Amino acid sequence: QSALTQTASLSGSPGQSITISCTGTSSDIGSYNLVSWYQQHPGKAPKLLIYEVNKRPSGVSSRFSGSKSGNTATLTISGLQAEDEAEYHCCSYATASVVFGTGTLVTVL
Amino acid sequence: EVQLLESGGGLVQPGGSLRLSCAASGFTFSNYALSWVRQAPGKGLEWVSTISASNHTYYSNSVKGQFTISRDNDKNTLYLQMSSLRADDTAVYYCAKTKMPRWYFDYWGQGTLVTVSS
Repeated sequence: QSALTQTASLSGSPGQSITISCTGTSSDIGSYNLVSWYQQHPGKAPKLLIYEVNKRPSGVSSRFSGSKSGNTATLTISGLQAEDEAEYHCCSYATASVVFGTGTLVTVL
Repeated sequence: EVQLLESGGGLVQPGGSLRLSCAASGFTFSNYALSWVRQAPGKGLEWVSTISASNHTYYSNSVKGQFTISRDNDKNTLYLQMSSLRADDTAVYYCAKTKMPRWYFDYWGQGTLVTVSS
């Protein structure tokens, strides 16, 4: 149950698009289309952004999109806004367990 | 509106025990799985345990045999009994409503801080 690997930090200017990658193994991301993404502002609880690789819950902006290829999942934020400055966590099912990513801090310049 | 309210956190000495609670409202509690996810200071999220609607339990390797998850459907409350606590169990513990079998967490509580220190 090793943590999924994410880039520690990324930054972008308002209006730009950024891509956050999440690398796992053939035992987690590579085996299941059960990847989810969470946004967490400082001192707050995580919020679900994406589930089952690329599905958005009601109320989540269409600027957030997810995809997967092999053992790597990706979250794309388009049209970056100041309110997107937060920590982003990926997550995958892994046979009777769950593994989270190491987290990516996104800074809006 | 779904609400999850954790309680029971605090300061405990190494080797001690603590029971966390999560009071739920706004959904039919007995129909859903629930989980505990923790976050050590300055670290990422770590899945701890999940209990299904039918009371099947799942644990991370790091807490198996040390923590016990349970639920009381009459009280709409989730529990986490923690024993033999170590310094590396220090974290904010979140309760999360869990969509099984798709294994994602659609609602989260605000968390309760557990500090293990002498």
